[in-house]
Amino acid sequence: EPEVTQTPSHQVTQMGQEVILRCVPISNHLYFYWYRQILGQKVEFLVSFYNNEISEKSEIFDDQFSVERPDGSNFTLKIRSTKLEDSAMYFCASSDNRDSETQYFGPGTRLLVL
Amino acid sequence: SQKIEQNSEALNIQEGKTATLTCNYTNYSPAYLQWYRQDPGRGPVFLLLIRENEKEKRKERLKVTFDTTLKQSLFHITASQPADSATYLCALGSNTGNQFYFGTGTSLTVIP
Repeated sequence: EPEVTQTPSHQVTQMGQEVILRCVPISNHLYFYWYRQILGQKVEFLVSFYNNEISEKSEIFDDQFSVERPDGSNFTLKIRSTKLEDSAMYFCASSDNRDSETQYFGPGTRLLVL
Repeated sequence: SQKIEQNSEALNIQEGKTATLTCNYTNYSPAYLQWYRQDPGRGPVFLLLIRENEKEKRKERLKVTFDTTLKQSLFHITASQPADSATYLCALGSNTGNQFYFGTGTSLTVIP
């Protein structure tokens, strides 16, 4: 069964450093998403992406964040200058329809900012 | 802003019993509601979706109800098994966007 994959599984970085989290969505999906989950808290929507542009973003997704689909398979989330409060689990998801009623989540990248 | 509450952070039940989890929401009119399962350190896994015009949806041992008047969804697992132990999340979505709003989740433990 096809699945969403994410790399790395864990990342430790120093405050102020840039990080890039990578995702490979399911191959025939067209809609891509990033979510984050701070330890012990709820899953929060960050951004959705379709046709090479952001279609929706939350207030969390400020200028420090950017997304990109650099080729036909990868979908990346970049945090330009990490802060301590960026420490969280970051999940990528993809869906095959606009209504995104069913989103398939990856296993997540655990980011720790020191 | 929308608020989504799920019943008690943790629920313990005996194997074989029916687990009932609650999702209440305010300040929002979702077009559909979803339930996900999340295991520790893993991403959410989609279980069921129910639309605003549907009262009930079933899938194997799972049943979801949706009451838009009460602004509540109930999620039932019948004949529960220890393998059902996980955190269960509800998520609300609309037809005007593709953003989901997740609840904080309920941790279910099925005791053998």
